[in-house]
Amino acid sequence: DTAVSQTPKYLVTQMGNDKSIKCEQNLGHDTMYWYKQDSKKFLKIMFSYNNKELIINETVPNRFSPKSPDKAHLNLHINSLELGDSAVYFCASSQDRGRISEAFFGQGTRLTVV
Amino acid sequence: AQSVTQLGSHVSVSEGALVLLRCNYSSSVPPYLFWYVQYPNQGLQLLLKYTSAATLVKGINGFEAEFKKSETSFHLTKPSAHMSDAAEYFCAASNFSGGYNKLIFGAGTRLAVHP
Repeated sequence: DTAVSQTPKYLVTQMGNDKSIKCEQNLGHDTMYWYKQDSKKFLKIMFSYNNKELIINETVPNRFSPKSPDKAHLNLHINSLELGDSAVYFCASSQDRGRISEAFFGQGTRLTVV
Repeated sequence: AQSVTQLGSHVSVSEGALVLLRCNYSSSVPPYLFWYVQYPNQGLQLLLKYTSAATLVKGINGFEAEFKKSETSFHLTKPSAHMSDAAEYFCAASNFSGGYNKLIFGAGTRLAVHP
């Protein structure tokens, strides 16, 4: 069983479209994240949710809207896609509960905006 | 603000040679530190982590890292490189900002292993 799974793995779309990426974790973790990896492999946190509550919101355009229907799911919706949104998006989860623990990552979604 | 610096975006070694990937952090409070590996078209996999229990940390695939507070470093080593070690390696730090985990990544180091 895949611990953190994302769909789709590849997403090619035109500028101006709206798209969603889904993420599910079956580890029972209470914290989930979205990270963006750019073409130079640099990883930057975008959002973090703890038990469905938004706890980290970096300086991300408001075209990006995360949604967490329950603590096992964290979806990312992107409106009005732009060329600069092309990147690999990683979902991750961790079990914090008052201490630092490692994050488990999904396989990534490669988004290409044309 | 906390930051992580990885010296050398590309490192190339011969099979069987020592692997040394450098990582330095900047933080007034020693953070928890991690090394992740990313194989092509894959997600990130944890190699090892430092959580203040022991300064020398052993991880998977024969890798280990030593936390040196005086040097603010957490370099990754492996005595003998294998072809399968070729990948992108990321150092990351977290010091539980605001009561929650927030991993800050270095820019990554691409390790190439040649015969």
